[in-house]
Amino acid sequence: SQQGEEDPQALSIQEGENATMNCSYKTSINNLQWYRQNSGRGLVHLILIRSNEREKHSGRLRVTLDTSKKSSSLLITASRAADTASYFCATPTQGGSEKLVFGKGMKLTVNP
Amino acid sequence: DGGITQSPKYLFRKEGQNVTLSCEQNLNHDAMYWYRQDPGQGLRLIYYSQIVNDFQKGDIAEGYSVSREKKESFPLTVTSAQKNPTAFYLCASSGSGNTIYFGEGSWLTVV
Repeated sequence: SQQGEEDPQALSIQEGENATMNCSYKTSINNLQWYRQNSGRGLVHLILIRSNEREKHSGRLRVTLDTSKKSSSLLITASRAADTASYFCATPTQGGSEKLVFGKGMKLTVNP
Repeated sequence: DGGITQSPKYLFRKEGQNVTLSCEQNLNHDAMYWYRQDPGQGLRLIYYSQIVNDFQKGDIAEGYSVSREKKESFPLTVTSAQKNPTAFYLCASSGSGNTIYFGEGSWLTVV
């Protein structure tokens, strides 16, 4: 029951550049979350944006949400080599906000 | 430190064997989850539990079993009925908010 889909599936950039990842989903949601996963590790929560919010910031992260287009974007500014990881968007399943459905993830490589 | 502890980190299973992955949390969270991750497939929900002594099947529950006898613990058994168990298994928990907290994962390989 795939809900979110990240785009692009892989991105390679140089340190200092900005990285933008997009997520599209299919059904109405009350929030959308972004997670990060370093290789072989667990996922770490980055940011949650609610359906009544259009934009949210956290440090070098900027998340937008367009409920009319059923899409979200995650922008990482001034990227660092340590940002190299996979990034996932996650949305609640219908009828249960505690159950999250994750996209396949996007692999970001930041070259020093 | 508060968090979720999964063990073992690496586990090898022989054909026909059942194996159990441990997950313990000290975050006082009511809900706990097990996800399976295959390369390029993202995360898929195996089982989840919203309260002690209760659990529900996720999207890929066949060949797996769980128990929730204590709030802190949610072990996952991979049975011999699971024909393709080689994967990375992630345990998670959540409290009153929507955020899910993950353990560091367990690698299971069939030998």
